[in-house]
Amino acid sequence: DQQVKQNSPSLSVQEGRISILNCDYTNSMFDYFLWYKKYPAEGPTFLISISSIKDKNEDGRFTVFLNKSAKHLSLHIVPSQPGDSAVYFCAASYTNAGKSTFGDGTTLTVKP
Amino acid sequence: GAGVSQTPSNKVTEKGKYVELRCDPISGHTALYWYRQSLGQGPEFLIYFQGTGAADDSGLPNDRFFAVRPEGSVSTLKIQRTERGDSAVYLCASSFLEVGTGELFFGEGSRLTVL
Repeated sequence: DQQVKQNSPSLSVQEGRISILNCDYTNSMFDYFLWYKKYPAEGPTFLISISSIKDKNEDGRFTVFLNKSAKHLSLHIVPSQPGDSAVYFCAASYTNAGKSTFGDGTTLTVKP
Repeated sequence: GAGVSQTPSNKVTEKGKYVELRCDPISGHTALYWYRQSLGQGPEFLIYFQGTGAADDSGLPNDRFFAVRPEGSVSTLKIQRTERGDSAVYLCASSFLEVGTGELFFGEGSRLTVL
């Protein structure tokens, strides 16, 4: 039973356009959500997070939206740049859990 | 550097052998995590330490897997009687926070190949 799902294995966008990566979760106990970015042969690096008490968090070109009723979150990248090409993982955790549960990732390709 | 360090970066072993993977977390991080990532999948939780003790080992797949963190810093993941299905990238991460809502700082991983 996969509790965090990223249903799109890949996404391709043109440089300068918006990239939207989606994530769904099933465990209603999750109250904290994170996005990580991973380049080949490197470990994932933290990108942005959001607490369940918010519905939006913005950091520069990156914005995460949370829809708790739909158990859905999305990451928006505007404008997309070729250096954004990577695998993006959605992760979820809950207070006192100690661990994060990850989705299987979406490979983003930004074409120049 | 000041990041999470994992050794070896690559390990090739034969089925049935014993393997140790080492993780040196960021100085001052009390929480340490082991994850396993298979091709095309996301990181899968194995075990989490808070200080020297394993706070949650629910992700260890069976008793062939064991991890220690004797002094609350460096951790070793130990795999006995390796099987081909153990082949994966083993990721270590550390974190500032005492509970699970902090960002994780990952190492580059140890790629294990069991022939």
